[in-house]
Amino acid sequence: QVQLVQSGAELKTPGASVKVSCKASGFTFTSYGFTWVRQAPGQGLEWMGWISARNANTNYAQKFQGRVTMTTDTSTNTAYMELMSLRSDDTAVYYCARGGRDHCYYHMDVWGKGTTVTVS
Amino acid sequence: DIVMTQSPDSLAVSLGERATINCKSSQSVLYSSNNKHHLAWYQQKPGQPPKLLIYWASTREPGVPDRFSGSGSGTDFTLTISSLQAEDVAVYYCHQYYSSPLTFGGGTKVEIK
Repeated sequence: QVQLVQSGAELKTPGASVKVSCKASGFTFTSYGFTWVRQAPGQGLEWMGWISARNANTNYAQKFQGRVTMTTDTSTNTAYMELMSLRSDDTAVYYCARGGRDHCYYHMDVWGKGTTVTVS
Repeated sequence: DIVMTQSPDSLAVSLGERATINCKSSQSVLYSSNNKHHLAWYQQKPGQPPKLLIYWASTREPGVPDRFSGSGSGTDFTLTISSLQAEDVAVYYCHQYYSSPLTFGGGTKVEIK
């Protein structure tokens, strides 16, 4: 079935980096793009950026420019999100979601279960 | 950035009654080249990821019960649950995918009265 399986919870110290993976199955990976959204404890949803699995084009939220890198591996159908220079306010659940192939201006129809990243 | 403002923050509705959630965008999310509103609604239950309910402002995602409907145009949009069921208790988010950064409303918590 169509699904996105994310990597497990992470505990990081301030200043460290974290790399979250999102393995896709049940559909053609390169026909889509992947969006990363995070949710701090008890808070709303925050869009971090998007990457095309077709050509690796990216669109990052200005807030995360310079600190986030999104990549894909078409050999394993996996999308990755690396966030550097972690701060305590980066503590959140990080979601990957399937979106548009050629641009980020598309709704997200399949979501991973989320990866909890704790910075402490 | 486009600011998405939802109202109310929370509402309590009796089982079987109608629930209405409003969402206002700070600018139009109508994309002229495809004549579609780049507006979606998501449902999120505790401990779960968001679930897509409605996209293009009014298109129901396959498998979503028909008691959920989306409407609106320009900058004002509405999610309606025509007959609230117990399983509809959740937080609902509107989301614009018209311009970067994509943004979400603050969420509306729906409970049973």
